[in-house]
Amino acid sequence: EVQLVESGGGLVQPGRSLKLSCLASGFTFSNYGMNWIRQAPGKGLEWVASISSSSSYIYYADTVKGRFTISRDNAKNTLYLQMTSLRSEDTALYYCARRMMVDYWGQGVMVTVSS
Amino acid sequence: DVQMTQSLSYLAASPGESVSISCKASKSISNYLAWYQQKPGEAYKLLIYSGSTLQSGTPSRFSGSGSGTDFTLTIRSLEPEDFGLYYCQQYYEKPLTFGSGTKLEIK
Repeated sequence: EVQLVESGGGLVQPGRSLKLSCLASGFTFSNYGMNWIRQAPGKGLEWVASISSSSSYIYYADTVKGRFTISRDNAKNTLYLQMTSLRSEDTALYYCARRMMVDYWGQGVMVTVSS
Repeated sequence: DVQMTQSLSYLAASPGESVSISCKASKSISNYLAWYQQKPGEAYKLLIYSGSTLQSGTPSRFSGSGSGTDFTLTIRSLEPEDFGLYYCQQYYEKPLTFGSGTKLEIK
């Protein structure tokens, strides 16, 4: 069974950093591109970043470019999102998602940016 | 960026009825269109990809159609468990973009 389990969320002050992790299981993680997608409270879905299976290709939404870094460790079956210079508008539920047409989603991890 | 428009934000229908949810792209995305369902407390579920291909496990009462800019998700003979939020998403190009969602309520 494919599972994506996010962790690392929480309450953080504006300007601070936070690192999210997504532990994948039930499939060969190194064969798949992965994404982070977020959903602010009461809002729609917003794609954040994508990384190819071997980390050769990385893309970011303009709203996070220069502040967020997506990475992966295929040996640990783990996807990461390093978030810096956090803003209140980054407050959202962050989902780990497999493939561009997302065939599996995690349950999400909440990130709240507030003083 | 490709804007995805779901014109209906809310829809209510009775079990046994058929409903259609539309999704319009701001430019042609060929058939790089996915539909998702979300229920409270559950992970998002991929229903349809490539505009019309049912994901494994998606009941046959769901169907997708369209290409280019106009797409439709149809649910025939609604079941009570079909309530929830439905989103379309284009994966033709980055940034990946999503429709604003349609909430389907079962009467």
